[in-house]
Amino acid sequence: DAKTTQPTSMDCAEGRAANLPCNHSTISGNEYVYWYRQIHSQGPQYIIHGLKNNETNEMASLIITEDRKSSTLILPHATLRDTAVYYCIVNSAGRRALTFGSGTRLQVQP
Amino acid sequence: EPEVTQTPSHQVTQMGQEVILRCVPISNHLYFYWYRQILGQKVEFLVSFYNNEISEKSEIFDDQFSVERPDGSNFTLKIRSTKLEDSAMYFCASRVSGGNTGELFFGEGSRLTVL
Repeated sequence: DAKTTQPTSMDCAEGRAANLPCNHSTISGNEYVYWYRQIHSQGPQYIIHGLKNNETNEMASLIITEDRKSSTLILPHATLRDTAVYYCIVNSAGRRALTFGSGTRLQVQP
Repeated sequence: EPEVTQTPSHQVTQMGQEVILRCVPISNHLYFYWYRQILGQKVEFLVSFYNNEISEKSEIFDDQFSVERPDGSNFTLKIRSTKLEDSAMYFCASRVSGGNTGELFFGEGSRLTVL
């Protein structure tokens, strides 16, 4: 699976959009980009995933660059409950297990 | 909303003892996983299970670990002879299908403390 690079930590003001970047420059054609988050010590929670088109759901938007070498997770109106570690994961279609990196620790400030 | 449930939430055991962690995956899911997270470290993949057999395992999943789906609803992780370094949070997960067609649902975890 392609390696991902994320900032170690980020801050965001409550009510503002949180934009979390991820680099995956070695991504190959059949690899998807997944985003999960982990609030405190709870089980990881799925947010969104995509292949090449931008995706949106009730939690977030995923913007993938045209060359697919990077992506951005957007939480449109961050709340204090969005404080968590956010993981960007690239996973090939044939591999069932996701590999978690260190992620980005997002702190939403009041 | 359906969820993955895990028991016990916390178990304390003596080194060398056997431990069984239990999980009830979401009912229509077919792929099952165990992950662990040592305090302050990454979430690490242990094993995946499909069609009553292991489909993938990591280097961590050595001979002291085993998994079983004994009755069609429970999915268990057994650690035969626990070591101090097995102290971690163990997460069970399930998904309805393999590949990239579905999200992975995680349970809230079982914290294992080995003394």
